Amino acid sequence: AQSVTQLGSHVSVSEGALVLLRCNYSSSVPPYLFWYVQYPNQGLQLLLKYTTGATLVKGINGFEAEFKKSETSFHLTKPSAHMSDAAEYFCAVRKGSGGSNYKLTFGKGTLLTVNP
Amino acid sequence: EAQVTQNPRYLITVTGKKLTVTCSQNMNHEYMSWYRQDPGLGLRQIYYSMNVEVTDKGDVPEGYKVSRKEKRNFPLILESPSPNQTSLYFCASRTGGNNEQFFGPGTRLTVL
Repeated sequence: AQSVTQLGSHVSVSEGALVLLRCNYSSSVPPYLFWYVQYPNQGLQLLLKYTTGATLVKGINGFEAEFKKSETSFHLTKPSAHMSDAAEYFCAVRKGSGGSNYKLTFGKGTLLTVNP
Repeated sequence: EAQVTQNPRYLITVTGKKLTVTCSQNMNHEYMSWYRQDPGLGLRQIYYSMNVEVTDKGDVPEGYKVSRKEKRNFPLILESPSPNQTSLYFCASRTGGNNEQFFGPGTRLTVL
């Protein structure tokens, strides 16, 4: 079974500061990893994903994440926070093989607050 | 426009009154899924479907039913809703391979 742990249910940063949202996963097979963002009163939007290949993946809105197999981590970063980044962020994992491995397992979410 | 739609967006009902939340996608996706989102718990999968007439349980299927008679539609049925099913529900769809899931806008359900 796979699982996701997001460290910190709430992260607060100042505008212009580095954003670091932590995600660790467990999976018995090579995983596919995702970060989703949820703005207030909206659905989930994909920020970025790792499937195979380059371990540093870039997403929308200046976010990036690095897959580190040895640390079973997929932390999300952004060099400079903007007020519009305030949202809830979810890390998710699914099995990398095909077939019926459809389920995404989500972390519990991290609420990002950006202070002026 | 490619999208996943859900109806209704908001629903207040009473215990035991059967209800259906509809989900429809216009992207010809094979896979569809229902999740519920609760504070502090993230999203948990209720049911999923790999194609027409093929469905399976997710992590929290108790109290829910689904059907997949057409590729585009995947309704979620609560035969006898209870207050613990008060939640925010999301439908999602994707095609095969590693493609991303597309989420609907959510349905906020309150069961009194």
